[in-house]
Amino acid sequence: DAGVTQSPTHLIKTRGQQVTLRCSPKSGHDTVSWYQQALGQGPQFIFQYYEEEERQRGNFPDRFSGHQFPNYSSELNVNALLLGDSALYLCASSQWGVEDTQYFGPGTRLTVL
Amino acid sequence: GDSVTQMEGPVTLSEEAFLTINCTYTATGYPSLFWYVQYPGEGLQLLLKATKADDKGSNKGFEATYRKETTSFHLEKGSVQVSDSAVYFCALSPSFVGGGNKLTFGTGTQLKVEL
Repeated sequence: DAGVTQSPTHLIKTRGQQVTLRCSPKSGHDTVSWYQQALGQGPQFIFQYYEEEERQRGNFPDRFSGHQFPNYSSELNVNALLLGDSALYLCASSQWGVEDTQYFGPGTRLTVL
Repeated sequence: GDSVTQMEGPVTLSEEAFLTINCTYTATGYPSLFWYVQYPGEGLQLLLKATKADDKGSNKGFEATYRKETTSFHLEKGSVQVSDSAVYFCALSPSFVGGGNKLTFGTGTQLKVEL
């Protein structure tokens, strides 16, 4: 049973660039959530997708956007990168309306120079 | 809004010592409560959960009891091992609203277990 997968593992970008991170949910899950974890901090909720629509959003600027595909996989896009966007980006999957447990992928480490 | 407060780390223990990591929360309604563990360079793994008051979650020797009256969900283990060294996160998920949910995390507590 495949768990949550994310790609790439690591990424280095410069300020002002754009980045796309990818996530495939655990088998049987239809909901994807994205979190940002700064060094030494707890994860912060960015947004959640279900049925290809953004259902909830945390306190993040519009530079952060996402997409969910018909196969439930998801992308996180960040435009106009800032140094402060350097973090571990975590994807989590769950089943909408069935179970509130979220299962996390290994994360993508983004470094902005 | 919802919030989770964890005890500051790092916590350093000798192997076979008793572990307690305190966690308190603020939320409306009846949230579900979780403990996640993060090993160096990895994502988060679910350790245990509890969905209603007085429930006890347990896994791999770790336990936590959902205390509504004190809004707490303290993590305990009777005898820690070196392999338990990691960062532990307490989190809550509000009562389902339309089927979706989001997790609110504490800042994490680093545990170091020495021989």
